[in-house]
Amino acid sequence: GQQLNQSPQSMFIQEGEDVSMNCTSSSIFNTWLWYKQDPGEGPVLLIALYKAGELTSNGRLTAQFGITRKDSFLNISASIPSDVGIYFCAGPYNNNDMRFGAGTRLTVKP
Amino acid sequence: ETGVTQTPRHLVMGMTNKKSLKCEQHLGHNAMYWYKQSAKKPLELMFVYNFKEQTENNSVPSRFSPECPNSSHLFLHLHTLQPEDSALYLCASSQGPSAMSPGELFFGEGSRLTVL
Repeated sequence: GQQLNQSPQSMFIQEGEDVSMNCTSSSIFNTWLWYKQDPGEGPVLLIALYKAGELTSNGRLTAQFGITRKDSFLNISASIPSDVGIYFCAGPYNNNDMRFGAGTRLTVKP
Repeated sequence: ETGVTQTPRHLVMGMTNKKSLKCEQHLGHNAMYWYKQSAKKPLELMFVYNFKEQTENNSVPSRFSPECPNSSHLFLHLHTLQPEDSALYLCASSQGPSAMSPGELFFGEGSRLTVL
């Protein structure tokens, strides 16, 4: 089935630094979603992308839907301690099944 | 607060126990989902209900039994589980599927299950 490969698996950065993570697939997706999961909580939707080439921002977060429709990236600018968590990419396998990457675990040192 | 509430947040059970997880959504959505989250693995889809009808059973063992009495409530009944079933069980809802996508999922906070 369609697998989503996220990288890096984990990141340790200093507060104030910019962060970049990406997600790739061997198959084409028509939607890319980015979620964040705080410790002890469920994933929360950050950004949704619906069109190849689309670049969307949500505050300090920016995500892009790759032109090939097989990848997406998420950037976080000027990181702060509350950015800590696990970031997941997701894309629909079919109309019932949203597939998720294994996540990028972000640690921000003050 | 995402509009999806799960109870209990934590559950410890023995392998011979019967317990249930509950999920309620206040978003007016038509589709509800159970996902399993194990450490360092992608979320695994277990079950999908659209308009109370089960539309996906992702080869889940019969010791997990879902129930969806209406579009706002979803249960996961647990019976004779194994220690490897210990995980975070996440409920989600969405507006409902389009032709090619389940739509944006909204998750509850999860029920952390430990099977002894």
